[in-house]
Amino acid sequence: DTGVSQNPRHKITKRGQNVTFRCDPISEHNRLYWYRQTLGQGPEFLTYFQNEAQLEKSRLLSDRFSAERPKGSFSTLEIQRTEQGDSAMYLCASSFRQKGETQYFGPGTRLLVL
Amino acid sequence: QQQVKQSPQSLIVQKGGISIINCAYENTAFDYFPWYQQFPGKGPALLIAIRPDVSEKKEGRFTISFNKSAKQFSLHIMDSQPGDSATYFCAASGPRSGGSNYKLTFGKGTLLTVNP
Repeated sequence: DTGVSQNPRHKITKRGQNVTFRCDPISEHNRLYWYRQTLGQGPEFLTYFQNEAQLEKSRLLSDRFSAERPKGSFSTLEIQRTEQGDSAMYLCASSFRQKGETQYFGPGTRLLVL
Repeated sequence: QQQVKQSPQSLIVQKGGISIINCAYENTAFDYFPWYQQFPGKGPALLIAIRPDVSEKKEGRFTISFNKSAKQFSLHIMDSQPGDSATYFCAASGPRSGGSNYKLTFGKGTLLTVNP
């Protein structure tokens, strides 16, 4: 257990529905990252926060995806109008600026869109 | 464009043997190279990482070898154990100068099976 928690761990939804995932990073970590991992692939970067500021977004993050990190603590990732291609594991990671780049990953939220 | 290429896709070794996984990168601005281990249903966990100012780093049974001129790095697992059976990912990030390029670019992974 790295100390990064994600909820829910599993989510099954129907195409067209909206879903929201939550990530609670390690408490003193000021950087938070979202990645997406599909079966048989490595994680792919989606977006990154430093404190509450969203500093970078991948081209993978279509306009149906939005992420927030209010008050620089937990973060949420919302997917609107889900599509079957959104089925994947969504991973959250956090790091502490003063301790280098080591990113600690949570257990992930596995999304299945029917 | 796949910026980090990992091989082999899968690897089977006997208990006590040496497991070797290789990665090659294209972006010369990368300056941080970690290896992650992932068990089914779990998030990736950092094993060991290296920066390009050294050619080798060892932590217990795990060693990273780094060849900057060839833009390649590898993970060696000595005395491989059945408990090491997992998927291993190499990754890269950088440059750190400029302050924002900490996102990790991952290889596609290597499924390691260690037979007892």
